[in-house]
Amino acid sequence: EDQVTQSPEALRLQEGESSSLNCSYTVSGLRGLFWYRQDPGKGPEFLFTLYSAGEEKEKERLKATLTKKESFLHITAPKPEDSATYLCAVYNAGNMLTFGGGTRLMVKP
Amino acid sequence: DAGITQSPRHKVTETGTPVTLRCHQTENHRYMYWYRQDPGHGLRLIHYSYGVKDTDKGEVSDGYSVSRSKTEDFLLTLESATSSQTSVYFCAISSDRDTEAFFGQGTRLTVV
Repeated sequence: EDQVTQSPEALRLQEGESSSLNCSYTVSGLRGLFWYRQDPGKGPEFLFTLYSAGEEKEKERLKATLTKKESFLHITAPKPEDSATYLCAVYNAGNMLTFGGGTRLMVKP
Repeated sequence: DAGITQSPRHKVTETGTPVTLRCHQTENHRYMYWYRQDPGHGLRLIHYSYGVKDTDKGEVSDGYSVSRSKTEDFLLTLESATSSQTSVYFCAISSDRDTEAFFGQGTRLTVV
C-alpha cells in the first residue's frame, strides 16, 4: 500500500530562520512527487513537480529536492506570508494521487 | 488560477437526503477528481474521471457516485447522506495522469 508521511506535523519559525520539511514515501511505481501549499479555507495550490531522484526545483524562497525515498522542501529566510500547510503527494502507476498529512508552518515576525 | 468552479461552496443537509456537488472547469483537462479532506486523514480520493463517461473509484468511494456527461462538468452524488460524510470536498483537474493537479476552492458539506 502506498504511503506518504510528512514531518514535522507543525513547525514554528522566526522570520528569517531557514528550515526544511520532510516527505517520506513508499509507492509502487513512482510517476511523480508534488508539493502543494494550502491556506486556511482554500484549495491546495500547486508548487512543484519532481519526477526523478536528484531533481531540484526552486521558486522564490522555496526549494524542493527528491531522493529515492524522500523529498525535502527547503525554506530559506521565511517570511510571515509563507505561513500555510504544505502538502506532499505522490502519483503511482495506478493513477492514484496519494497525499501526506501535511506540515503546518507558522512563521512569526 | 486554473478555471475550476465548485458549487455550492457551503451546504447543510439532513441525514438520508441526496446531495449533488458540481465541479465545472474551463481548462478542457481530461482528468477530473473528487477528494475529501478531514482532520487526521488528509486528502483522500473518492472518484476520478479520465474522460466523458469514463470514471473509476478511489480510496474512499463507498456511499458516493459520480457522473461526467461533458468534459467540463464532474458531478459527485451522495445518494443518502450520512453524518460521516460531513467534510470538505475538493475537485481537481489535470491534463494528464501524471501531471500536476489543480484544485478548486472546496465545498464544505455538513450532514446533520
